[in-house]
Amino acid sequence: DAMVIQNPRYQVTQFGKPVTLSCSQTLNHNVMYWYQQKSSQAPKLLFHYYDKDFNNEADTPDNFQSRRPNTSFCFLDIRSPGLGDAAMYLCATSRGRTPTGGMSEAFFGQGTRLTVV
Amino acid sequence: AQSVSQHNHHVILSEAASLELGCNYSYGGTVNLFWYVQYPGQHLQLLLKYFSGDPLVKGIKGFEAEFIKSKFSFNLRKPSVQWSDTAEYFCAVNARRDDKIIFGKGTRLHILP
Repeated sequence: DAMVIQNPRYQVTQFGKPVTLSCSQTLNHNVMYWYQQKSSQAPKLLFHYYDKDFNNEADTPDNFQSRRPNTSFCFLDIRSPGLGDAAMYLCATSRGRTPTGGMSEAFFGQGTRLTVV
Repeated sequence: AQSVSQHNHHVILSEAASLELGCNYSYGGTVNLFWYVQYPGQHLQLLLKYFSGDPLVKGIKGFEAEFIKSKFSFNLRKPSVQWSDTAEYFCAVNARRDDKIIFGKGTRLHILP
């Protein structure tokens, strides 16, 4: 089945130790999104790629970076995780812009739950 | 900046009751609208979407939503809920001027058997 796969499902990292979360897709979608979701809060968009074009949200901390080496893979790098970065990280893909305008729906992975100790 | 408001954070209903979950967005231009569902332990899944045309859209599992442009609303409805509808429901919006999909805080729905 075509899908969005996030690895690992659970990640424990030490305070200040760099960590990378990965996402892969078999849907061949143009767009890949990274969201951060904390308990009882909305998924918060961190950044997204439309093909190779990177779009960073204005309030995404500098600590967070992303790489998309090819269509299928996208990585979230947290350079120096703090306790406040503990959250569920969601990767999603989208075909991109629809014929009528705007974005097509997003397809989500299972998420990676990050714990910072 | 665009935002999405879901008024009900936690809803408890009995089976066969009717459901309506509110969703409002703050953006004056043209939008694409979505409702997602997240069952316990599972990933976010699309319930339904609105791009254009008939403002009443039907989705999977008997859900529907109505886009009312004048009210900036996209409320989710189901005439008769089932225990298996217990889940968290998220409304999301894309302003057509950009590529972002912005989510509301979600509504936890608990159906009593």
